[in-house]
Amino acid sequence: ETGVTQSPTHLIKTRGQQVTLRCSSQSGHNTVSWYQQALGQGPQFIFQYYREEENGRGNFPPRFSGLQFPNYSSELNVNALELDDSALYLCASSFGTDTYNEQFFGPGTRLTVL
Amino acid sequence: QKEVEQDPGPLSVPEGAIVSLNCTYSNSAFQYFMWYRQYSRKGPELLMYTYSSGNKEDGRFTAQVDKSSKYISLFIRDSQPSDSATYLCAMSSQTGANNLFFGTGTRLTVIP
Repeated sequence: ETGVTQSPTHLIKTRGQQVTLRCSSQSGHNTVSWYQQALGQGPQFIFQYYREEENGRGNFPPRFSGLQFPNYSSELNVNALELDDSALYLCASSFGTDTYNEQFFGPGTRLTVL
Repeated sequence: QKEVEQDPGPLSVPEGAIVSLNCTYSNSAFQYFMWYRQYSRKGPELLMYTYSSGNKEDGRFTAQVDKSSKYISLFIRDSQPSDSATYLCAMSSQTGANNLFFGTGTRLTVIP
């Protein structure tokens, strides 16, 4: 059984650029959640996708958008990058959206915005 | 005020010590309480999961939830150097998406 994988591992962008981060969910999981973890902070919920539809969104602006594909892998897109977007971006997959469905986290993509 | 507050530490203890990690929260709708462990350059991994108030024990780890005080704790007995990591509390209210609200994390170092 393959765990949650994310690509790329690291990324450096400049302010104003756009970035796409990718996540492959664990086998059998149909739900992907994305979190932003700034340095020294806990992860903050960005949004969740369940069966290709957005199923909830945290307090993030519209320039954060996402997709989920038929194989349940997912992308996080961030437009017009700002310096404060520098963070570790984590995706977590689960089977279903109930809280008792454990969320398994990937290793994250570290984004640096210069 | 953040919904979940956690002392960021850092916390440094000798091997074999009992470690106590704590979080407080403000949202009375939280029903599910979790502790995650995060090693450097890794994603968080679930350690303990508790529903509502009470205690739960798993090996050297004990999680406690006191909903009346909006306070949760994680105790680690006989701490080992391999326990050195950042510990994150997380909670959820099961409304809509099962998104987790995390504390800032406490960085723990167990000295051999």
